[in-house]
Amino acid sequence: DIVMTQTPISLSVTPGQPASISCKSSQSLLHTSGKTFLYWYLQKPGQSPQLLIYEASKRFSGVPDRFSGSGSGTDFTLKISRVEAEDVGVYYCMQGIHLRTFGQGTKVEIK
Amino acid sequence: EVQLVESGGGLVQPGGSLKLSCAASGFTFGDRWMSWVRQAPGKGLEWVAYIKSDGSATDYVDSVKGRFTISRDNAKMSLYLQMSSLRAEDTAVYYCARDLTALDLWGQGTLVTVSS
Repeated sequence: DIVMTQTPISLSVTPGQPASISCKSSQSLLHTSGKTFLYWYLQKPGQSPQLLIYEASKRFSGVPDRFSGSGSGTDFTLKISRVEAEDVGVYYCMQGIHLRTFGQGTKVEIK
Repeated sequence: EVQLVESGGGLVQPGGSLKLSCAASGFTFGDRWMSWVRQAPGKGLEWVAYIKSDGSATDYVDSVKGRFTISRDNAKMSLYLQMSSLRAEDTAVYYCARDLTALDLWGQGTLVTVSS
């Protein structure tokens, strides 16, 4: 089974400042197709999760460009260039190369 | 409107059974894989199962294999999760999600509580 490990577990950010979340997988998420099966989600308080980033670095429709994803193989990063109040919630990475596995989540709050 | 709406949650005793439903609208349901994802109270997300667009393939997280069955009725644009031999640790909000490997559309969830 593929294990997804996120750091940090929680993050307190001043509005307008950047934030970064790391996600490491126990196996490479690079498929023979050339696609990387790594995804990022945000679950805002009281809401269902929403897709932010797919295939490691592609922003989903409607996602602000302050969100960016990077990485390859087993190491990935989600960056928020300038955190806004509406970005609070729990961020999850997920692998999709073999079944589906989520990271444990990173809680982002505003200072 | 493109949406997923879950139903069927509730209180069930340990060892009991429950069937969840997910009604899809606004997209070609029969073309899409679908997944169930759950979230125990105060905990993170856990993928539970997925099913291929035509229903010919399914897979599950180890903790539910042999107890849960995912199925679909494309004519009714509906997804199901039959849960049996329920345990306290199955208590969670259960979400259905459209699965393009990216889970790009989620329902609002339905709460399943397993308790005596």
